[in-house]
Amino acid sequence: DAGVTQSPTHLIKTRGQQVTLRCSPISGHKSVSWYQQVLGQGPQFIFQYYEKEERGRGNFPDRFSARQFPNYSSELNVNALLLGDSALYLCASSQGTASNQPQHFGDGTRLSIL
Amino acid sequence: GEDVEQSLFLSVREGDSSVINCTYTDSSSTYLYWYKQEPGAGLQLLTYIFSNMDMKQDQRLTVLLNKKDKHLSLRIADTQTGDSAIYFCAETTGGFKTIFGAGTRLFVKA
Repeated sequence: DAGVTQSPTHLIKTRGQQVTLRCSPISGHKSVSWYQQVLGQGPQFIFQYYEKEERGRGNFPDRFSARQFPNYSSELNVNALLLGDSALYLCASSQGTASNQPQHFGDGTRLSIL
Repeated sequence: GEDVEQSLFLSVREGDSSVINCTYTDSSSTYLYWYKQEPGAGLQLLTYIFSNMDMKQDQRLTVLLNKKDKHLSLRIADTQTGDSAIYFCAETTGGFKTIFGAGTRLFVKA
């Protein structure tokens, strides 16, 4: 069975641009969460979606948005990119919400802002 | 506040046991996790423990949980060079948010 898949694997953008990252959860998983991992740090929680509704949001500006589709895949959008947005963006899926089911991670999208 | 703390580095010899320690803050956390991250890769779920358990063993991995002190540890028996990686401790809090530590970098010397 396929694990969590993310696309693209790498992306280079310039300041001020917009980016869309994609995630397909493990088959049967209804929850998708997004995390930002800056080099040398642990992942920081951005969003959780469960059954197509936002269930939680971390301490990130409104430039960050996400959505979940009927097939449970998800997109993370970041507008007006800043140099500080350079990071590894990780998607995780679980059968239920993070509080009652362990999360499984994809390999991430490495975003570089020039 | 929410904070998961880990020591940053651990160096062991091949064949020895490794013990990675972690302290967390939310006493209501349901799950506590250990993830492994190799260079350039995502996070691999190694093991997890329910908050109502004291210990969990899974092959070479042993997790110990001390709820009173909010202390979690991961013991890797017979550590191999392939175990060299960053290990993250994490707790689930607030019903939806997973909080990660900064990671412990394990170096295994042959």
